Parts: sequence; structure tokens; C-alpha cells
Amino acid sequence: EDQVTQSPEALRLQEGESSSLNCSYTVSGLRGLFWYRQDPGKGPEFLFTLYSAGEEKEKERLKATLTKKESFLHITAPKPEDSATYLCAVQKYNFNKFYFGSGTKLNVKP
Amino acid sequence: NAGVTQTPKFRVLKTGQSMTLLCAQDMNHEYMYWYRQDPGMGLRLIHYSVGEGTTAKGEVPDGYNVSRLKKQNFLLGLESAAPSQTSVYFCASSSRTAGNTIYFGEGSWLTVV
Repeated sequence: EDQVTQSPEALRLQEGESSSLNCSYTVSGLRGLFWYRQDPGKGPEFLFTLYSAGEEKEKERLKATLTKKESFLHITAPKPEDSATYLCAVQKYNFNKFYFGSGTKLNVKP
Repeated sequence: NAGVTQTPKFRVLKTGQSMTLLCAQDMNHEYMYWYRQDPGMGLRLIHYSVGEGTTAKGEVPDGYNVSRLKKQNFLLGLESAAPSQTSVYFCASSSRTAGNTIYFGEGSWLTVV
């Protein structure tokens, strides 16, 4: 069964305390893996796309990596403004199919 | 730089009433989607469209209808609202020429009482 699982469901960090969020998938025929950030009361905002195992993308304090079975979103020295829910989605080669995880709610305390 | 625009943003309906959510995108994307987001269940696809005049069922289509008469617009209709349709609804669009990335609207909060 095609599935995307994110862990942990919630994560509380102190400002400056680095950590990683996990997105594991059992979707066959991966076309791309997408990371989004969602603030309360807003729509998901695109962060990264990864297409093949070994690929890495960076943006400010965020770095996304991809293996054949999972992706990690590494947050280095987070700040309170990084607090949000982070979603990952997997696209199959059947273009219209995107599978979303339930998200990780990140709370960074000052 | 509007992107994907949804209206209305908030709506309260009584059980059995009907309504339409409107979505417009200005990116010339060929694909459009309607998702619902509920606590603990993530984003679930209701219906989608691969082009003007076409629609298809997603994961949770029951109780909803859609239409795409123009490339830039995608309408989601509730014919007879039920409390189970209380949710946040997101419209989204994507294009093969834009890296297949899905871009979302700001959401529509619907409460059915």
C-alpha cells in the first residue's frame, strides 16, 4: 500500500538545538518528494523538491536529504520563527498522484 | 503575484444547504486539485483536474462535485452539506513545466452545523 509516514508528530526544541524530521515512504515509482511548511491558518508553502536518492537541497537553516526509503529535513540552530508544521509529499510516476504525510509540528522555544 | 486564490475564506452552513467554493490560479497551470485537511489525517484529495473541461475523483469524493469550465478556475460544490464536511479546504495547482510542484491557496474554513 502506498503510504507516507512522518515522525515525530510533534517536536519541541530550544532555540539553537539542531534536530531532524523524518519522512518515510512505501510509494513505488517515486517521481519526486516535496517538503512544505505550513503556518497556522495558512496554506502549505513549498520548500524543496528531491528527485533521486543522494540528492540534497538547502535553504537557510533547513537541509533536505533523500534515500530510497526516506527523507530527512535537518534543522540547524533553529529559531522561534521556524515553528510551523512541516509536511512531506511523494509523487508517483502517475503524475496526478501525490501522497501527503500527516506532518510534524515543530515548536522552537526562545 | 496572486498565485492560487480561494473564496470564501470562512463559511458556516446549516445541514442540507448547498454552496460552492471558488478557486482561481494565475500561473497557467494545467493541473488543479481540491484537498481537505482534518486534524490527524493530513491532506486528502477530493477531486482533481488535468485540464479545462476534465475532472476526476480523488481519495474522498463522496458528497462533492467539481467543475473546470475555464483553465484558471476550479469550483468545488457541496450539494447537501453534512457535519462530516466540516473541514479546511485547500485548492492547489501544478504544471509539468513548473517542476510538478503543487502550489496551494490559503484555505477555506467550512463549518456545517
